[in-house]
Amino acid sequence: EAGVTQFPSHSVIEKGQTVTLRCDPISGHDNLYWYRRVMGKEIKFLLHFVKESKQDESGMPNNRFLAERTGGTYSTLKVQPAELEDSGVYFCASSQGLLTTDTQYFGPGTRLTVL
Amino acid sequence: AQKVTQAQTEISVVEKEDVTLDCVYETRDTTYYLFWYKQPPSGELVFLIRRNSFDEQNEISGRYSWNFQKSTSSFNFTITASQVVDSAVYFCALSEAVGNTGKLIFGQGTTLQVKP
Repeated sequence: EAGVTQFPSHSVIEKGQTVTLRCDPISGHDNLYWYRRVMGKEIKFLLHFVKESKQDESGMPNNRFLAERTGGTYSTLKVQPAELEDSGVYFCASSQGLLTTDTQYFGPGTRLTVL
Repeated sequence: AQKVTQAQTEISVVEKEDVTLDCVYETRDTTYYLFWYKQPPSGELVFLIRRNSFDEQNEISGRYSWNFQKSTSSFNFTITASQVVDSAVYFCALSEAVGNTGKLIFGQGTTLQVKP
């Protein structure tokens, strides 16, 4: 069974540009989470989808970040316009869904560098 | 407030040594879950263990063992007879069961280097 996949693995953009990150969860997993790790700090929660619905977006830094999960399958996270402080590694995770405390399985992350 | 502290930023050991990674957590909930993840150089976060707050039994899996002590709010991870392949960043995480969508609260991570 395929794990969580993320694309791209790396992205280097200039300040003010737009970037879209993609996450494909494990097949059949209803819960999808986005997290971010900035410069050696702790990994921080961004938001949580159950199927196509946003359940918790309390961790989204500001309105430059837009996450979608159309059809309840893959998810995208768009940053527009990107700022220097957005640099970091963006992780996606998925879990099966019956319990919110089910184990989350993570993807390899997308390393975003904003110059 | 929920918080996870991994006080050890970096640890370096020589192969075959035992090493313990500390994790201290804070939560007001009585029901919660604790996790350990490993991040090898390839970058993905690999799930190691999930433990609920009602199960204080220590767990052993091969060379890995976990010591959960509610009295000290700690969930420490020991690698016995460490190997070079154990070199990675290790994260401890907390998830509260009540009123929570399952988001994980992570510690800062401990970088473990095992030298041959």
